[in-house]
Amino acid sequence: DGGITQSPKYLFRKEGQNVTLSCEQNLNHDAMYWYRQDPGQGLRLIYYSQIVNDFQKGDIAEGYSVSREKKESFPLTVTSAQKNPTAFYLCAIQQQNTGELFFGEGSRLTVL
Amino acid sequence: GDSVTQMEGPVTLSEEACLTINCTYTATGYPSLFWYVQYPGEGLQLLLKATKADDKGSNKGFEATYRKETTSFHLEKGSVQVSDSAVYFCALRNSGGSNYKLTFGKGTLLTVNP
Repeated sequence: DGGITQSPKYLFRKEGQNVTLSCEQNLNHDAMYWYRQDPGQGLRLIYYSQIVNDFQKGDIAEGYSVSREKKESFPLTVTSAQKNPTAFYLCAIQQQNTGELFFGEGSRLTVL
Repeated sequence: GDSVTQMEGPVTLSEEACLTINCTYTATGYPSLFWYVQYPGEGLQLLLKATKADDKGSNKGFEATYRKETTSFHLEKGSVQVSDSAVYFCALRNSGGSNYKLTFGKGTLLTVNP
C-alpha cells in the first residue's frame, strides 16, 4: 500500500522524556515536512527537508530535532526542552511539480 | 512575508444550506492556492487548487476561484451535507525563489446539522 505512514497514532509520555515520532513514505518524494497542530492555531511548521541529509528549521523548531538519513524516512524527536509538547503532529510529503502536500494521518502526543 | 487569512468560525449550518468560507492572502509574485480539508482525527486532504489568476478549482461540489484583483480564494458549496463537517484550511505556495513551503490559514471548523 503506497503513501505516507505516521506512527504511533497515539503516544503518552512523562515530562522530561524525549519521544520520537516516525514518518515513512514510499512515493519517492524528496521534500518532507513536520507540522504541529493546536486548537485554534492552525498548522505551524516545525522542520522540513528538501533532500536527503539536509533539513531546515521552520517557524517553531525549538525543542525539536529531526534527521534525514534516508529518502523514505523523516523522524521527529520531541525533546524535554519543548515546553508544551502536547499536540497533534502531522508529517507531509510534497509533490515537486505542483507543490501539493500529502499528509499522514497524524500522531497525537500527550504529556502526562 | 506570505500570509493567509480565513474566517475563523466556527460555522454551523443546516443540511442543504449554502456555504462560503472566506480566504484572502498576501504574497509576492504569483502563488498557487489550495483548500485542504481535515475530518475528525485525521490528517489533511487536498480538496481543490488553483495555480493562476481566474482559475477555478472544484471537487466534491466545492468550488473556489483565484481572484488576483481581490487576493482572494473563497470556498463555496451550494448545498452542504452532514458529511462535509470538518475543518477547512486555505493555503498558498509562492512560486518565487526556492521557497517551496506552504503557508496555511488557521482553519475554519464547519459543522453541518441534519
